[in-house]
Amino acid sequence: DIQMTQSPSSLSASVGDRVTITCRASQSISSYLNWYQQKPGKAPKLLIYAASSLQSGVPSRFSGSGSGTDFTLTISSLQPEDFATYYCQQSYSTLSYTFGQGTKLEIK
Amino acid sequence: EVQLVESGGGLVKPGGSLRLSCAASGFTFSSYSMNWVRQAPGKGLEWVSSISSSSSYIYYADSVKGRFTISRDNAKNSLYLQMNSLRAEDTAVYYCARDSLRPGGAYYYYYMDVWGKGTTVTVSS
Repeated sequence: DIQMTQSPSSLSASVGDRVTITCRASQSISSYLNWYQQKPGKAPKLLIYAASSLQSGVPSRFSGSGSGTDFTLTISSLQPEDFATYYCQQSYSTLSYTFGQGTKLEIK
Repeated sequence: EVQLVESGGGLVKPGGSLRLSCAASGFTFSSYSMNWVRQAPGKGLEWVSSISSSSSYIYYADSVKGRFTISRDNAKNSLYLQMNSLRAEDTAVYYCARDSLRPGGAYYYYYMDVWGKGTTVTVSS
């Protein structure tokens, strides 16, 4: 199975900060990488698919980049509603999707 | 409105069985692959199983293979997960999620763009 590793596991930041979360795959997955946001007690929400495509309705302060094994999710200017947990997920192997362990973004 | 609503969760003893359902509305259910994803208390997301639109392709995580069975009824716009031989480590919120796709590269880009609110399964004696 393809393993996905996110860093950091947690992150403290302030409103207005630029934040970057990294996701690394255990093998090349081209651009088959998605990002989700999850708030406590809620279902995950798709933010980015195909590594860099912004899902409809998602604010443009969210962006994704990368290909191969290394990917990043960037929030250009943190807003209060962005404090949540973020997950990457590979869809290169449709026989077995895998998620990263998550990055909890907290208010500093 | 595009919507997925899970049901069927509850408290079950180790070794017991449970059947989860997911009712879809607002989109052409029969055109989409579907997934079950779970989240143990305080833990991350774990993909459990996928089924293609016509049920031709079915996949499971190793952790549930041989114990869980995914199925769907396109006439009823419903997705199911039959869970047998349940263990304490199966305790989780179970989400159903739609698989959308976009052509790209050598394959399709798949992503889970619609999620239900989840149903809670607790395995405990």
